[in-house]
Amino acid sequence: QKEVEQDPGPLSVPEGAIVSLNCTYSNSAFQYFMWYRQYSRKGPELLMYTYSSGNKEDGRFTAQVDKSSKYISLFIRDSQPSDSATYLCAMGVGDYKLSFGAGTTVTVRA
Amino acid sequence: DAGITQSPRHKVTETGTPVTLRCHQTENHRYMYWYRQDPGHGLRLIHYSYGVKDTDKGEVSDGYSVSRSKTEDFLLTLESATSSQTSVYFCAISRDTPYEQYFGPGTRLTVT
Repeated sequence: QKEVEQDPGPLSVPEGAIVSLNCTYSNSAFQYFMWYRQYSRKGPELLMYTYSSGNKEDGRFTAQVDKSSKYISLFIRDSQPSDSATYLCAMGVGDYKLSFGAGTTVTVRA
Repeated sequence: DAGITQSPRHKVTETGTPVTLRCHQTENHRYMYWYRQDPGHGLRLIHYSYGVKDTDKGEVSDGYSVSRSKTEDFLLTLESATSSQTSVYFCAISRDTPYEQYFGPGTRLTVT
């Protein structure tokens, strides 16, 4: 069993819809939780990070962490075609080594 | 832009040949990483470095070696490439905190 499991997708949504992305994990020692966005044939870029349970907002993006359920989510409101990408969750215990989910590919249709 | 370049960007090589990939950073960060990305597996850590000449293994280090003789350069070597090493390789650096990792543009390697 992988340490981090991510909903495989792909997801296709109309412009303006809310996108919901999810990851579960098995290692209760994880303290840091990140979301990366990766456009086709590009390197991943850090979108958001958090180290506590609860919600964190940044513009149209909300990251949610539930440590008791070992579950994290990313919500994208008012999705745009420019949000079409692969989204990767990542987690760490604080020693600089991150564990990544396999990624979910999202397409936002205009 | 994290100031990371990777070279080459694309390479095709034959089984059994040695291959070296280079990662160069311009911001003098202490921590550097090499990952590989394969469909269904996400990003997996190969090796990382926490300073000049200081390196450690990641989860998929077999068949790979690394060297870091200068702060700005981190080299990944495949001593004898195999088809299972066909992948996209990403270099990354950490800035102030361990979870803020920034990635380079990637090297697409094909081993025939």
